[in-house]
Amino acid sequence: EDQVTQSPEALRLQEGESSSLNCSYTVSGLRGLFWYRQDPGKGPEFLFTLYSAGEEKEKERLKATLTKKESFLHITAPKPEDSATYLCAVYETSGSRLTFGEGTQLTVNP
Amino acid sequence: NAGVTQTPKFRILKIGQSMTLQCAQDMNHNYMYWYRQDPGMGLKLIYYSVGAGITDKGEVPNGYNVSRSTTEDFPLRLELAAPSQTSVYFCASSGDRGQANYGYTFGSGTRLTVV
Repeated sequence: EDQVTQSPEALRLQEGESSSLNCSYTVSGLRGLFWYRQDPGKGPEFLFTLYSAGEEKEKERLKATLTKKESFLHITAPKPEDSATYLCAVYETSGSRLTFGEGTQLTVNP
Repeated sequence: NAGVTQTPKFRILKIGQSMTLQCAQDMNHNYMYWYRQDPGMGLKLIYYSVGAGITDKGEVPNGYNVSRSTTEDFPLRLELAAPSQTSVYFCASSGDRGQANYGYTFGSGTRLTVV
């Protein structure tokens, strides 16, 4: 059974204080690992897809990396507008749907 | 705007009542999904469909039913509402098994309270 575990559950940063979110996964074969951002009262919004170990993708202050067992979402010099819940999800090669982690709630204080 | 449209946005039900949550997409996606999200929790899959006329159960299907008569629409039916069904419901779609580059496109959600 696919498992996705995100840590920490909640993270509070000061503006400009860089940090990382973790997503650990267990699947028999990985087709893709997805990162989403979710703002309060809204649906998840796609950020990145990673396919293989060693791959990295960047978007503004966010960089996602992937190993064979986990993914990190690095946030460099965050701003208050980066405050949101970040969700990780995996897609197994033999599966037909995404399996989501429970998310990390990020708060960036000015 | 292209995307996934969910209605209603908010609803309060009494215990034992029934209702249908509507979901429509205009991207010609074959795959559609219903998730529920409880406070502070991740997304749990209720039902999904890989095309018109084909549906299958997810992790938490009890108390729900779905149908898929067209590519565009994927309604979720709640029969005999219970307080445990108080949640936010998200509909999503994808063009193939996961839409490799973009994952799923989500609707904005329906917030349901059962009292």
